[in-house]
Amino acid sequence: AQSVAQPEDQVNVAEGNPLTVKCTYSVSGNPYLFWYVQYPNRGLQFLLKYITGDNLVKGSYGFEAEFNKSQTSFHLKKPSALVSDSALYFCAVRDIGSSNTGKLIFGQGTTLQVKP
Amino acid sequence: AAGVIQSPRHLMKEKRETATLKCYPIPRHDTVYWYQQGPGQDPQFLISFYEKMQSDKGSIPDRFSAQQFSDYHSELNMSSLELGDSALYFCASSLSGAPYEQYFGPGTRLTVT
Repeated sequence: AQSVAQPEDQVNVAEGNPLTVKCTYSVSGNPYLFWYVQYPNRGLQFLLKYITGDNLVKGSYGFEAEFNKSQTSFHLKKPSALVSDSALYFCAVRDIGSSNTGKLIFGQGTTLQVKP
Repeated sequence: AAGVIQSPRHLMKEKRETATLKCYPIPRHDTVYWYQQGPGQDPQFLISFYEKMQSDKGSIPDRFSAQQFSDYHSELNMSSLELGDSALYFCASSLSGAPYEQYFGPGTRLTVT
């Protein structure tokens, strides 16, 4: 069964510093990986995805993620954090099991706190 | 650009009542997904529809049912509500096939008292 894990409940970083939010995955076959961000009382906003191709994918709001097959990781990164980046971040994998209907399986989420 | 629309945004019900949540996908999207997010939890898949047919089913209680209509909007019907049904319910839509990302609505916050 497909799964993703986010080992950190919370990440704290100072504004202007680089940030990393970690995600590891477990899938059979090639993974389809996604990052979403959730602001308080809001829906999930799509940030970026990895389907195939370059291991470094660029997304919205200056975020990028690095796909590492040997480490089964898909860490979210940003060179310079903003206070407005403070939110809840979810890593997700597309379920490609027997039904292959595309439902997403989410990690438990990581709260990013960027301090001024 | 048009986004996924969900209504109502907030809903308060009492135990044993029924609730209906509505979802209007992005135009031309043919697939709708429903997810439930409990307090402090990650979203959990409930059910999905492709071209108006149920395509997959997750951890959805038998008290819940859903359908997708000819205009592609979807409704999640919840009966005999329990306190534990209090959660944020998201609808997401996508195009079948690539590029695979799902676009989420703002959610309906259901509170059962």
